[in-house]
Amino acid sequence: LAKTTQPISMDSYEGQEVNITCSHNNIATNDYITWYQQFPSQGPRFIIQGYKTKVTNEVASLFIPADRKSSTLSLPRVSLSDTAVYYCLVGDNTGGFKTIFGAGTRLFVKA
Amino acid sequence: NAGVTQTPKFQVLKTGQSMTLQCAQDMNHEYMSWYRQDPGMGLRLIHYSVGAGITDQGEVPNGYNVSRSTTEDFPLRLLSAAPSQTSVYFCASRKRDTQYFGPGTRLTVL
Repeated sequence: LAKTTQPISMDSYEGQEVNITCSHNNIATNDYITWYQQFPSQGPRFIIQGYKTKVTNEVASLFIPADRKSSTLSLPRVSLSDTAVYYCLVGDNTGGFKTIFGAGTRLFVKA
Repeated sequence: NAGVTQTPKFQVLKTGQSMTLQCAQDMNHEYMSWYRQDPGMGLRLIHYSVGAGITDQGEVPNGYNVSRSTTEDFPLRLLSAAPSQTSVYFCASRKRDTQYFGPGTRLTVL
């Protein structure tokens, strides 16, 4: 399983774009990169998933360079409600069920 | 669809008591898992199942048992509760590489 490294915490202000980078130097060929969001007292929630280049959905964008050894979650124009913990996970889309969650990045959005 | 449901939401036990945390999903996912989350920490995998009748240990399995008699249900049993098992427990089901989590059970062992 590829280990991931993320910043422990980040601060931002409402309306700013937030970029959270995750390092995964040992990513395997079959691995996908998935980001989850967790609010206090709730289970993690899927945000976005990608394999290479750029993926965008209604919530976020995910940028993955050609070597795939890192990825960046981009949250456009954050609001107070985006204050949460964000987890980066790397895993095989066809198996490898032992998904490992790291400590995540605690994002605090200020008014 | 209800997704992943967990009961109870809260539970207080005394040391040595046993109990079962219930988890059910209605998405027909083969993969299900149990995690615990301690304050300020990430999630740690307790047990998981790749289908009915098949279970395996995760990162922190000691003190917990699981069974998977149906696709829908994946109960977690605490045989003899200890204060170290005070935590929030999350059940999840998985389709491909995306996991869907339940709302959690907050367990306190006195």
